Amino acid sequence: ETGVTQSPTHLIKTRGQQVTLRCSSQSGHNTVSWYQQALGQGPQFIFQYYREEENGRGNFPPRFSGLQFPNYSSELNVNALELDDSALYLCASSYQGNTEAFFGQGTRLTVV
Amino acid sequence: DAKTTQPPSMDCAEGRAANLPCNHSTISGNEYVYWYRQIHSQGPQYIIHGLKNNETNEMASLIITEDRKSSTLILPHATLRDTAVYYCIVFTGTYKYIFGTGTRLKVLA
Repeated sequence: ETGVTQSPTHLIKTRGQQVTLRCSSQSGHNTVSWYQQALGQGPQFIFQYYREEENGRGNFPPRFSGLQFPNYSSELNVNALELDDSALYLCASSYQGNTEAFFGQGTRLTVV
Repeated sequence: DAKTTQPPSMDCAEGRAANLPCNHSTISGNEYVYWYRQIHSQGPQYIIHGLKNNETNEMASLIITEDRKSSTLILPHATLRDTAVYYCIVFTGTYKYIFGTGTRLKVLA
């Protein structure tokens, strides 16, 4: 097991609602990345945070936003949920963002 | 788009070596090859990475061809617990992994 923990593990939301997912990075890691994985697909990069600043973003709309805190933990916020947002959301931490990343177990979000 | 091509699925007998190929013909000189695996609905697990030399760790070996256009991940003695989707990723060190669809390895008893 990695030292990356995500909460909650499962979540059901209604279309139009907002959701916050949380991630605690592995000890010694200062970089957190978020990925979305739809069923049967590989993970897709959402964005990365390094030292509390966004350090790169994938092809996701602005209703996907994030934060990183001084202890390097992170949140992913999604506003105005759509049915297609149903997916496994993965958090990965690394040191400096250019070394191997370690993933958490993910949060399974279902939008109904 | 992913810079790698992998076969969609492979089978391997338990106890035998599993050899998973990956093509990355457009890899640049400063790009690493990373391998991860994902066991059903869990987070991807880091396996190994390399630049141009062959690498070995407690999980696997990575063989990279001299021209770096392809590589092979070797699980020396596959077990049922190695059944997973294996992802080969070319990584520039610029913050994001681009995953393809991976190879679904099934280890057979």
